[in-house]
Amino acid sequence: ILNVEQSPQSLHVQEGDSTNFTCSFPSSNFYALHWYRWETAKSPEALFVMTLNGDEKKKGRISATLNTKEGYSYLYIKGSQPEDSATYLCAPNAGGTSYGKLTFGQGTILTVHP
Amino acid sequence: DVKVTQSSRYLVKRTGEKVFLECVQDMDHENMFWYRQDPGLGLRLIYFSYDVKMKEKGDIPEGYSVSREKKERFSLILESASTNQTSMYLCASSSPEGWNEQFFGPGTRLTVL
Repeated sequence: ILNVEQSPQSLHVQEGDSTNFTCSFPSSNFYALHWYRWETAKSPEALFVMTLNGDEKKKGRISATLNTKEGYSYLYIKGSQPEDSATYLCAPNAGGTSYGKLTFGQGTILTVHP
Repeated sequence: DVKVTQSSRYLVKRTGEKVFLECVQDMDHENMFWYRQDPGLGLRLIYFSYDVKMKEKGDIPEGYSVSREKKERFSLILESASTNQTSMYLCASSSPEGWNEQFFGPGTRLTVL
């Protein structure tokens, strides 16, 4: 089983704060790294798919960076809003014969207080 | 619009019953997955399928089986439900053409009494 670690486990911030979380994964056999957002009572939704070392992706106030050589990715949220409250999951994919199998980390639970 | 549907949002079954959870996707995806989600344990892969009639065990296959007779449908079967299978079950599908981005269904909350 691939070892995927996310930190912190949970985070409470005030509206307007900027925050970031970490995803660590084995750097060997890397193909892609996925970030998902999972809001309460909804299904997980894809945020980013990152494939290249040094890759940076941005969607509104949320951005992510990737370091495949050392096996980590950071997710940043600038000026957090209450609607950003969710569980953020990362999942590496080894590609090849893994047939699209993703191994999810346990997630970081973000709560943004108004 | 991309869609993955699951047969039930909530299900209550008795210990020992045979339980079928159905998942249907309309995106012509090759890959389909079944996960369970439990507090503190994240999403854990039960089984996945990369083609019709093909299946692979995930990380926690014990007590489960699957069936994929048609490309769009992937069924999870609990042969004899037990209380420790009370959980949220999520289905997902993906295609290698989209970097294997997974699209999830709404989930089925199963309670085994």
